[in-house]
Amino acid sequence: AQTVTQSQPEMSVQEAETVTLSCTYDTSENNYYLFWYKQPPSRQMILVIRQEAYKQQNATENRFSVNFQKAAKSFSLKISDSQLGDTAMYFCAFMKHVDALNFGKGTSLLVTP
Amino acid sequence: GAVVSQHPSWVICKSGTSVKIECRSLDFQATTMFWYRQFPKQSLMLMATSNEGSKATYEQGVEKDKFLINHASLTLSTLTVTSAHPEDSSFYICSARAGGALVKTQYFGPGTRLLVL
Repeated sequence: AQTVTQSQPEMSVQEAETVTLSCTYDTSENNYYLFWYKQPPSRQMILVIRQEAYKQQNATENRFSVNFQKAAKSFSLKISDSQLGDTAMYFCAFMKHVDALNFGKGTSLLVTP
Repeated sequence: GAVVSQHPSWVICKSGTSVKIECRSLDFQATTMFWYRQFPKQSLMLMATSNEGSKATYEQGVEKDKFLINHASLTLSTLTVTSAHPEDSSFYICSARAGGALVKTQYFGPGTRLLVL
């Protein structure tokens, strides 16, 4: 079974600053997908970014980028120019082939003015 | 983008009654739908996977007779909590996965808050 570990239960960052959320995972698979989902107070799950394991290039989506280290099984999320609307729970998730998502415990991010 | 709806968004029921939650993919056909449960300040826990036209696959520890899942069409899956009890109170979220280029991504519904009195 795959495990996803998010070691930072809570983090805070000032508006306009940069913050990095960490995620590690354990798997024996070679082909898989990694995701970061955001869950704001509304509790709607929102896809932030996706990474295919076979791609060496780190995924980026506007202010969001990842540092994918396959050998180290690490998948951190960097949020640049943090905005108040980025305040949310952030979940790292692993998916093998087309299976269900396996989520980490989440990191609560607070962006302060 | 792909949109998934859930109905109702919240429900309060008496202990012993049954509650049905609907999950619909609005602008794509969902070959697979997933049901998750989330307790306050916790992560999402997978309850079951349903494929259109076949029986759902339940995760270990999830009672299939209590949480009935039906995926009768490519756009609708339902979760029925039978004989609900206060410990079933939780936030239930569905997600849907399409085929083709969208197969790698799950799209989530807005969730259903269930409170059993």
